[in-house]
Amino acid sequence: AAGVIQSPRHLIKEKRETATLKCYPIPRHDTVYWYQQGPGQDPQFLISFYEKMQSDKGSIPDRFSAQQFSDYHSELNMSSLELGDSALYFCASSLGSGGLAGTGELFFGEGSRLTVL
Amino acid sequence: KQEVTQIPAALSVPEGENLVLNCSFTDSAIYNLQWFRQDPGKGLTSLLLIQSSQREQTSGRLNASLDKSSGRSTLYIAASQPGDSATYLCAAEPGGGADGLTFGKGTHLIIQP
Repeated sequence: AAGVIQSPRHLIKEKRETATLKCYPIPRHDTVYWYQQGPGQDPQFLISFYEKMQSDKGSIPDRFSAQQFSDYHSELNMSSLELGDSALYFCASSLGSGGLAGTGELFFGEGSRLTVL
Repeated sequence: KQEVTQIPAALSVPEGENLVLNCSFTDSAIYNLQWFRQDPGKGLTSLLLIQSSQREQTSGRLNASLDKSSGRSTLYIAASQPGDSATYLCAAEPGGGADGLTFGKGTHLIIQP
């Protein structure tokens, strides 16, 4: 079965550079979530999109932005990168959002590991 | 603000044992609770999802229970195997139309052959 696809899997950037992560949800899933997992930490919710509109916002820095496109894929744009942005960035998808249809079960991708030097 | 706590933080047991991982949450107004498995440096694999109206879910050797009123969930693993070694995370999804799972810090499980 098709899973959540994230690219790139690994990314190395310098401080103050920009980075873009891409996420392709499971087919027919209408909701995408972004999470950040620092070393030894639990995943922290950043932002979510339902039917191409921002659904909810968590601890996403102002330097980051995201969007969901017409084909439901999503991109997380990170600017003015800082050392503390080094983390695993996970994308997850589900059918339905926040109790609106579907079971809300989240399926995660393998993650994109960002290293900021 | 929802807080999710997992006990124990780490557990090492011999192969074949049955074991219980505990998860507690402070806000009982959840939409569902989900258990995940994470291998080092890898993504999160969904194990079981319990809707707020359900009390338990089973998948193979795994059984998860949910007691919303007491803010607790347990993951029971029967007949543990070395391949079960991983970090197990529980996560609560808020109700009221909000998104964003709140994760516990996980239980790092080692099954000794």
